[in-house]
Amino acid sequence: DVKVTQSSRYLVKRTGEKVFLECVQDMDHENMFWYRQDPGLGLRLIYFSYDVKMKEKGDIPEGYSVSREKKERFSLILESASTNQTSMYLCASSPLKTRREQYFGPGTRLTVT
Amino acid sequence: AQSVTQPDIHITVSEGASLELRCNYSYGATPYLFWYVQSPGQGLQLLLKYFSGDTLVQGIKGFEAEFKRSQSSFNLRKPSVHWSDAAEYFCAVVPNSGGYQKVTFGIGTKLQVIP
Repeated sequence: DVKVTQSSRYLVKRTGEKVFLECVQDMDHENMFWYRQDPGLGLRLIYFSYDVKMKEKGDIPEGYSVSREKKERFSLILESASTNQTSMYLCASSPLKTRREQYFGPGTRLTVT
Repeated sequence: AQSVTQPDIHITVSEGASLELRCNYSYGATPYLFWYVQSPGQGLQLLLKYFSGDTLVQGIKGFEAEFKRSQSSFNLRKPSVHWSDAAEYFCAVVPNSGGYQKVTFGIGTKLQVIP
């Protein structure tokens, strides 16, 4: 079974803090994704990566950056957390040669106070 | 650009009743189609997918979905709902073309199951 893990299930940070969200997948997938999920808005793509050290902006990259130094790990960074970044963050992965089904981690619920 | 509409934000059904969740998409050609389920506090799990061929696809947990090209729909069904089916359900579409293509998710339908 594909396993995607996220470093924290719940996280509480203060405004202005730098926040790291880590995601690890164990199935040698090329593609990895970060989404945020908000009620009434569904899933919105923040960034994705199709290879080590490669990244592409999604629909809402402002205020976020990412890092992919190893194939299995994809990190989301909030350089200076703000209250409007309080959300559920979901990481996903998929193989390169696939019909684009994605495998999701359990999510990190981030609260910025 | 493709889009996905899930017209029902909340649905309540009685345990044992049948279920149909609606999904309509907008795209020039037939895309790849997916249904995901998200239990409370969890990530999304793939229920089923449609790529081509038989328009009625079977998934996990007793779910099925039917692709109707003429209606641009991919509705999810279950003949008899169990209390454990209470969750949020997301329809998703991806263009059927080469290279990386972005997945577009619907906003989700939250299913409540009452005894």
